[in-house]
Amino acid sequence: GNSVTQMEGPVTLSEEAFLTINCTYTATGYPSLFWYVQYPGEGLQLLLKATKADDKGSNKGFEATYRKETTSFHLEKGSVQVSDSAVYFCALILQGAQKLVFGQGTRLTINP
Amino acid sequence: NAGVTQTPKFQVLKTGQSMTLQCAQDMNHNSMYWYRQDPGMGLRLIYYSASEGTTDKGEVPNGYNVSRLNKREFSLRLESAAPSQTSVYFCALGRTDTQYFGPGTRLTVL
Repeated sequence: GNSVTQMEGPVTLSEEAFLTINCTYTATGYPSLFWYVQYPGEGLQLLLKATKADDKGSNKGFEATYRKETTSFHLEKGSVQVSDSAVYFCALILQGAQKLVFGQGTRLTINP
Repeated sequence: NAGVTQTPKFQVLKTGQSMTLQCAQDMNHNSMYWYRQDPGMGLRLIYYSASEGTTDKGEVPNGYNVSRLNKREFSLRLESAAPSQTSVYFCALGRTDTQYFGPGTRLTVL
C-alpha cells in the first residue's frame, strides 16, 4: 500500500540552527509529494510540494527535493526561527487519486 | 484557513449523544474532505466528497455519516458518540495537489 514515514519527534532546536526532518514514502506509482505545516491551534497549510523526481519545492526558506532513488522528501531549512515552531506533515498523493496520505507528523520546537 | 469555516470550534459530548459538525466553503471547490487528527497518527481520512451529492468512505468511516447537499457545505454526523471518537476534526477542500484546511473542531466524548 501507500504510506509515508516521518522521523520521530519531538524535535527541539535553538534559533538559527539547521533543520532536517526526514520523510520517506512507499507508493504504487508516481506520487506528488507535499509538506504541510500546522501552527498551534490552526489547521494545516501547504508549505511546499514537488510533483516529479528531482523537483525541488521551496517556500519561506524551507526546501525539499523529490528523490525517487531513495523514495525520500526530506524537509530542510538553513536557519530556523522561533516562529517555525509547529507540527510538520509529509504527505503524498498518487496521480489521479482523490486522497492524500499523511505521515504521522513531527513536532518542532525552536528555542530562542 | 480563509474560505473554509468549521463549527463548532469545541464540543464536549457524553457517550451516546449525537451531533453534527458543519463545514462550509466559499472557494467553489468540488472536492471536500473530513479528517480526524489523533496524537502520533497524523491525519486519517473519514469521508470525502468529489462533488455535490456524492460521498465516499475514507480510511476510518465507522461511526460517522456525512452529507453533501450542496457544493458549499459538507457535514459530518456522529449518531452515537463514543470515547474513541475524541479527536480533532478537520474539514478540507481543494484540488488533489493543494488542499485547504479549516481551523478544526476539538471534540471530547466523555
